[in-house]
Amino acid sequence: SQTIHQWPATLVQPVGSPLSLECTVEGTSNPNLYWYRQAAGRGLQLLFYSVGIGQISSEVPQNLSASRPQDRQFILSSKKLLLSDSGFYLCAWSEGGPGELFFGEGSRLTVL
Amino acid sequence: AQSVTQLDSHVSVSEGTPVLLRCNYSSSYSPSLFWYVQHPNKGLQLLLKYTSAATLVKGINGFEAEFKKSETSFHLTKPSAHMSDAAEYFCVVSGRTYKYIFGTGTRLKVLA
Repeated sequence: SQTIHQWPATLVQPVGSPLSLECTVEGTSNPNLYWYRQAAGRGLQLLFYSVGIGQISSEVPQNLSASRPQDRQFILSSKKLLLSDSGFYLCAWSEGGPGELFFGEGSRLTVL
Repeated sequence: AQSVTQLDSHVSVSEGTPVLLRCNYSSSYSPSLFWYVQHPNKGLQLLLKYTSAATLVKGINGFEAEFKKSETSFHLTKPSAHMSDAAEYFCVVSGRTYKYIFGTGTRLKVLA
């Protein structure tokens, strides 16, 4: 069966520090991968998605970037965090189709 | 471009009464539509999905939704609310671009 792992679950970082959130999917190949940010009252905002290794589509201009170094690995990064980067980040995958979107448990980032 | 509008940010119902959560979508082509539920401090779970088959879609826990192309709507209903239905519900649209666009969510409160 397929599983998705996302880490770290909780992160507290100072303003200006770097960020790396990782997500891996097991039990499938060539998944579509997604990074979302969830804010209260604003639903889930699509940040990045990828349909293959090295293929990244950015949805919102911001202080973040994404990379897909391996087929089932998706990384969300920042070189210098801003206060506004605080939030709940969710990684997700699908097999395309479009079929069901499967979510990780999320990473709560607090920037101080 | 695709978008989805959830018409109510909060809905309160009494236990045992019907639930109606409203969603309107916009899509340049035939959409796939989903409803997800998020219980407090839990991940997102798929309730049901429409992918151009039957327009009345049945999901888990007694929920169903009807795709109405003429009204560009995909409202979620349940005949009788249960206390365990209290959660946040998200309407989602997707299509040929591999993107999944979420609504801002409706928080359902069930009163005893």
